[in-house]
Amino acid sequence: GNSVTQMEGPVTLSEEAFLTINCTYTATGYPSLFWYVQYPGEGLQLLLKATKADDKGSNKGFEATYRKETTSFHLEKGSVQVSDSAVYFCALSDQASSYKLIFGSGTRLLVRP
Amino acid sequence: DGGITQSPKYLFRKEGQNVTLSCEQNLNHDAMYWYRQDPGQGLRLIYYSQIVNDFQKGDIAEGYSVSREKKESFPLTVTSAQKNPTAFYLCASSNLYSNQPQHFGDGTRLSIL
Repeated sequence: GNSVTQMEGPVTLSEEAFLTINCTYTATGYPSLFWYVQYPGEGLQLLLKATKADDKGSNKGFEATYRKETTSFHLEKGSVQVSDSAVYFCALSDQASSYKLIFGSGTRLLVRP
Repeated sequence: DGGITQSPKYLFRKEGQNVTLSCEQNLNHDAMYWYRQDPGQGLRLIYYSQIVNDFQKGDIAEGYSVSREKKESFPLTVTSAQKNPTAFYLCASSNLYSNQPQHFGDGTRLSIL
């Protein structure tokens, strides 16, 4: 079945450091891929998405490229801020999963001043 | 503004008691979902519904029940059969295409008295 694997956290960085959170997936079809962010005590917010191979999703300085050849969708940001501290979830959706979201386990990011 | 409203934000359950969590959306989405999130964990799907008067079990449906009498509403009942109900509950909705993201509410935190 479909699955998503994320790097384990926590990831601890200093402000203005470069961020990479790895995400790989297994899917039988052609899924859409998403990154969600969850701030403490809140629900999930869509950060960015990509719906086909080689698409790049971007938002608020974050980017991720849909790599079909490596089945990956790694999240990157060139210069993190303290306000980026949150939990980040990678997810996929496709017709084979009845359009349900399949989530990774989440990666906590802590950015220190 | 369109969105998803969950209520209450905090809820307490006594032993042997059923409690109902409310979820309302005004996004005109066909599909609605309930997730459970335990501390430091990812999201697990409880139930989902893709059309009014129909719903399917997710990965952890035991001890929970739902109804979908209106497109806008998808309440979740945590029954006394759920022996470990303490968790953060998230409701989401989406259109029924794989490239459409799910939109999340702000969650309900349920605790045992």
